[in-house]
This record gives sequence, C-alpha cells and structure tokens, in this order.
Amino acid sequence: GAVVSQHPSWVICKSGTSVKIECRSLDFQATTMFWYRQFPKQSLMLMATSNEGSKATYEQGVEKDKFLINHASLTLSTLTVTSAHPEDSSFYICSAIRLAGGPPQETQYFGPGTRLLVL
Amino acid sequence: EDKVVQSPLSLVVHEGDTVTLNCSYEVTNFRSLLWYKQEKKAPTFLFMLTSSGIEKKSGRLSSILDKKELFSILNITATQTGDSAVYLCAVDLEEYGNKLVFGAGTILRVKS
Repeated sequence: GAVVSQHPSWVICKSGTSVKIECRSLDFQATTMFWYRQFPKQSLMLMATSNEGSKATYEQGVEKDKFLINHASLTLSTLTVTSAHPEDSSFYICSAIRLAGGPPQETQYFGPGTRLLVL
Repeated sequence: EDKVVQSPLSLVVHEGDTVTLNCSYEVTNFRSLLWYKQEKKAPTFLFMLTSSGIEKKSGRLSSILDKKELFSILNITATQTGDSAVYLCAVDLEEYGNKLVFGAGTILRVKS
C-alpha cells in the first residue's frame, strides 16, 4: 500500500524560531498534498492544498506568510512554520493524493503527523 | 459554507455495548462521505459511502448513508476497549478535487 511519511514526528522549539516539517510519499508520486492542523480534541482543519510546481492554495484564515509551503517534487512537500509562537502548537498532518480524481479511500493517504510544541 | 456536524462529541460506554455515531452534512457538490478512526496518530480509513441505503460492513462496524436527509451513521456492536478512539466523518467535495471537509469528531471511550 501507499505510504506517506512525515519528519520530524515530534518537535519542541522556542518561540520566534522557524520549524520545517517534511511530508514524503514513499512509494508513489503525489501531484497534490494537503496540510491539516489538529488542535487537542478538535477535528482536522485543512490549512492548504499543495500542488507540485505551483503555489499552494491556502484556506481562509491561514496566513500564507506564516505557514510557508513548498512542493518542489512529486514526492516531497514541506511546511515551514515561521516565527512560531505557543499558539502554533498543534498536530500537523499531511496527506498525499496518489491519483487525482479517484475515490479518496484509494487515493488519499495520510502521514503519521508531527506534534509541534512551541515554548 | 460547507459543514459537517458529528454527534455526540464524546461518549463513554462499557465493553459489549453497541454505539451509534452520527454525521450530518450540508455541502455543495457532494461526492462521497468517509469515516475514519483516529487513535494517537493519523486517521485510518474505515468506510466510504456514495449511495443511499447501502450498508457497508466490516466486522463489528457498519455504516449507512441517507442522501435525502443528509446524514450517515456509524455503528459499532459488541464494543471493545480497542475501539476507543476519535471517529471522524469527512465529506469529499467534487468541485475541489479530493478536498475533504471533516467534522469535529466523536471521542469514544470504551471501559472494561
């Protein structure tokens, strides 16, 4: 089956620093990757849609200058949280689309998530 | 605005009980509804429903969709402690090419 990895799985950083999270599709090419954020006891909230080779599309209320997304290759998308603050502490999950337009259970695969704690 | 609402928000039951989780939606260009189970990490896929009235079943879990009333239910029979998780409902919107809108989830805790 298709595998999506995220790195790191855990990160603790000081307020004001930037943190980069990687999302990789290990055995397939992903033209589209999604980035979600999940606060404790809340649902997954879509932050942005990342298409290879083009600018990411951000959801309303998500600051594009704060959450920089780069999808430089068909197997890698990165999310950089710039000047992180304690309120950015959350669980960040990516998902990758294996085949555009197909049914989600066959095509959208979630990464294991990255827990970010900003002190 | 596209909306997916789950109820209850949380539930505590004893092993062996049967539970029913609800998901209602108001969206444009509905394509399918999905149920996921989330433990400590990323969601794992349970069911995808596209047609009304056809029950999907996997072991003790089953789910059905009503496209007229715009809701779905997820049933778990003979619950076990391993069923403790957050259950997420999501709707796949045709116009957005695989974009999923998630509900807030139902936290299920099964006590032994």
